[in-house]
Amino acid sequence: VVMTQSPLSLAVTLGQPAAISCRSSQRLEHSDGNTYLNWFHQRPGQSPRRLINKVSNRDPGVPERFSGSGSGTDFTLRISRVEAEDVGIYYCMQATHWPPDTFGPGTRVEIK
Amino acid sequence: QVQLVQSGPEVKKSGASVRVSCKASGYRINQYGITWVRQAPGKGLEWMGWINPNNGDTRYEKDLQGRISLTTDRSTNTAYMELRSLRPDDMAVYYCARSELDFWGQGTLVSVSS
Repeated sequence: VVMTQSPLSLAVTLGQPAAISCRSSQRLEHSDGNTYLNWFHQRPGQSPRRLINKVSNRDPGVPERFSGSGSGTDFTLRISRVEAEDVGIYYCMQATHWPPDTFGPGTRVEIK
Repeated sequence: QVQLVQSGPEVKKSGASVRVSCKASGYRINQYGITWVRQAPGKGLEWMGWINPNNGDTRYEKDLQGRISLTTDRSTNTAYMELRSLRPDDMAVYYCARSELDFWGQGTLVSVSS
């Protein structure tokens, strides 16, 4: 399964919204009824952190400004109001057609 | 709290092997699988493999099969990743993570020189 993301780079004004699109080459609905599409955030020099699991479930401690949506082959991560700590690279990843898990190429978010 | 602590940086020559450890705390390692992911300098994330600590069942990325071995030691709550016949393009930060990537280790830089 090939994962693509757009845009690959995004400059956002503090307090403004941002959206990242992720597309998979195959539909991501699993036979168990779940859709295993996750979003990760990686700050420079740090390990990735999972933000969203199964399309739209925020992980513990993830701010409410982050939301995930989508179905089938098209998914979106939204940040309602970007804060300085949100800079870094965002990756989508599918685990439906496992192994392997496959990651998107990443979207770099910076502050304008 | 759940933590995964990895071993320190490694410097290897082409053709050598490397073994990275990943010690879990805050939970028993046999409760969840362990996934390994690597990241070459300036590049994205690459899934390498997964192990079920309960029965040793493993899954490997097909391009690494034959060179990678994942193991666990339940007595020390530690997972291991061994990569053999290292090449310069194996230079990367290697991460362990709990099965569904909800908790990650801090990463281990493996440098490979020719």
